[in-house]
Amino acid sequence: ETGVTQTPRHLVMGMTNKKSLKCEQHLGHNAMYWYKQSAKKPLELMFVYNFKEQTENNSVPSRFSPECPNSSHLFLHLHTLQPEDSALYLCASSQDTLTGQPQHFGDGTRLSIL
Amino acid sequence: DAKTTQPTSMDCAEGRAANLPCNHSTISGNEYVYWYRQIHSQGPQYIIHGLKNNETNEMASLIITEDRKSSTLILPHATLRDTAVYYCIVRGYSGGGADGLTFGKGTHLIIQP
Repeated sequence: ETGVTQTPRHLVMGMTNKKSLKCEQHLGHNAMYWYKQSAKKPLELMFVYNFKEQTENNSVPSRFSPECPNSSHLFLHLHTLQPEDSALYLCASSQDTLTGQPQHFGDGTRLSIL
Repeated sequence: DAKTTQPTSMDCAEGRAANLPCNHSTISGNEYVYWYRQIHSQGPQYIIHGLKNNETNEMASLIITEDRKSSTLILPHATLRDTAVYYCIVRGYSGGGADGLTFGKGTHLIIQP
């Protein structure tokens, strides 16, 4: 089982839709991350939050908008996506970003853009 | 972060120890070695990490060479459920950054019945 829960597990949406991905961690961590995993590609870091503050945006297009209302919750708001955005979106958390503690991942949201 | 080199794939018989090597010859003093695995359709699962000393937990053992240029992940009694892609990642902490993990291609470990 995992202490990081992502919903929904699967999402199909059209290019003009607006949807949100949700991540919740029950580990008492202070840092949360969004990654993208496309078919046959390594994981790509998208965003990092540490103590609710965004500390990294890895050149992600503005059609992806993260939100971190508290240390336990992380959202990824999606709008006007492209077919190449179809991928597995993974959320992770860690104690913080400074001490070398490992990241723990959820099982991801499989996103398909029609 | 230092680069890592892993074999593309490995086989291991069920019940035997699986030894997965990783080379990280450019590792620097403040960089940890992390191991994760990913089973199809699931998120990466943290296994173990270490800095200098060998480490052991309920899942695996991590053996780091004295010069820290390579390491070996050992699954002591492999089961069919250990079939997965195993990633060796080296990452340092400067105290000012917020870097994510850099996953390479990993080793596809196949446990044979």
